[in-house]
Amino acid sequence: QVQLVESGGGVVQPGRSLRLSCAASGFTFSIFAMHWVRQAPGKGLEWVAVISYDGNNKYYPDSVKGRFTVSRDNSQNTLYLRMSSLRPEDTAVYYCVRDLGEVWGQGTLVTVSS
Amino acid sequence: EIVMTQSPATLSVSPGERATLSCRASQSVGITLAWYQQKPGQAPRLLIYSASTRATGIPARFSGSGSGTEFNLTISSLQSEDFALYFCQQYKNWPLWTFGQGTKVEIK
Repeated sequence: QVQLVESGGGVVQPGRSLRLSCAASGFTFSIFAMHWVRQAPGKGLEWVAVISYDGNNKYYPDSVKGRFTVSRDNSQNTLYLRMSSLRPEDTAVYYCVRDLGEVWGQGTLVTVSS
Repeated sequence: EIVMTQSPATLSVSPGERATLSCRASQSVGITLAWYQQKPGQAPRLLIYSASTRATGIPARFSGSGSGTEFNLTISSLQSEDFALYFCQQYKNWPLWTFGQGTKVEIK
C-alpha cells in the first residue's frame, strides 16, 4: 500500500546536525513533489521544506532557510532532510508528506536539548 | 506571506450535533484550501481539498465551503470518532504551504 516511513529522529544537542530520511513505497515516488512538515509538542503544523519531483527546485520558510536542506534519491525512493545548527525551537515531530497532502508518514521526533 | 486564522480555538459540541469550523486567509486564496483532521498520536489526515471536495474515503457528513478569504468546515452530525484537532491549509502559493493554528473539537 501507499506508505511513507520516516526515520533518523532522536535527541541532539543545540548547534549539532541531524539527517532525517523518509522511505516511500506503493506509488511512483519520482513524479511527486515532497514536503516536510513539523509539529512542536502541543502545537500546530509548520511547513518546513518542499522539493520538486526531480529535485531541481527547493523551497523553505524563513525559520529554517540556510539551516535545513531537503534532498531526494528517486532511485531509492527516499526523501531526506538535513538539519544543521539545530535550536531548541526545532524540537518537533517531523512528517514527510506527499504533495497535495494525501499521504503522510507517521512522523519522527527530533528533540534538541543539552 | 499568507496567514491563516482559524476560529474558534476550541469548539465544544455534543455527539449528534452539527459543528462549523472557520478559517480565514489574510488575502484571497481562491479555492486552494484544504482541511485536515488529526487525532492524538497520529499524523494529520486530509479531509477536504479545493475548499469543498472530499478526499477519498471521507464520510459525507464532512463538507467544506467558501472561497477567497472565508472558509468553513461543517460536520453535520458529530460522531465519537470526530472529536479531534482540525487544521486548514492554503496552497495558493504552491508549492509553499501555510497552515492555520487549529481548532480542537471536544465533547460537550
